[in-house]
Amino acid sequence: RKEVEQDPGPFNVPEGATVAFNCTYSNSASQSFFWYRQDCRKEPKLLMSVYSSGNEDGRFTAQLNRASQYISLLIRDSKLSDSATYLCVVKTGGGNKLTFGTGTQLKVEL
Amino acid sequence: DAGITQSPRHKVTETGTPVTLRCHQTENHRYMYWYRQDPGHGLRLIHYSYGVKDTDKGEVSDGYSVSRSKTEDFLLTLESATSSQTSVYFCAISEGQGISPGNTIYFGEGSWLTVV
Repeated sequence: RKEVEQDPGPFNVPEGATVAFNCTYSNSASQSFFWYRQDCRKEPKLLMSVYSSGNEDGRFTAQLNRASQYISLLIRDSKLSDSATYLCVVKTGGGNKLTFGTGTQLKVEL
Repeated sequence: DAGITQSPRHKVTETGTPVTLRCHQTENHRYMYWYRQDPGHGLRLIHYSYGVKDTDKGEVSDGYSVSRSKTEDFLLTLESATSSQTSVYFCAISEGQGISPGNTIYFGEGSWLTVV
């Protein structure tokens, strides 16, 4: 079983739709969680950290469920510019050991 | 954007030749990393550095070496390139470790390497 698993998609959604991605992780000792966004042939960029209480940044909401060991990302009112691959990232241990999921591809269409 | 420059950005090389990728940062961050990204795999850590001349292996370090003689530069060397090392290589930096938001990892633009 992979340490971090994501549905690769693609998720094809119309502009304005709400879309949600889940990511499961296997190590219960994982401490920090992030969503990165990666455009085609570009570097990953931090979208948002995921806090235990859940957090929101504009149209983006991230949730953490430690009991079931998954995190989620909700995107409301999707824009064409949201089309990208979304990487789930889990940090385990006191250092900077990051485990990356393979990403979920989102395509927002007219 | 984080001040990270990778060079070369694209390279085609022959099997068995040595290749060096350079990462240069202007942020004065202590930690620097080299990752590779391949289809079907998440980004995987090759080597990282926690200071000048201080480096350690990541999960896919075989066939790679690194050096850091200055805070701002982190070099990744493939001593004898193989086709399995065809990949996209990302350099990354962070100010520190741990879970503090200030320790966010930022990535360079990537280096596309093809070994033929």
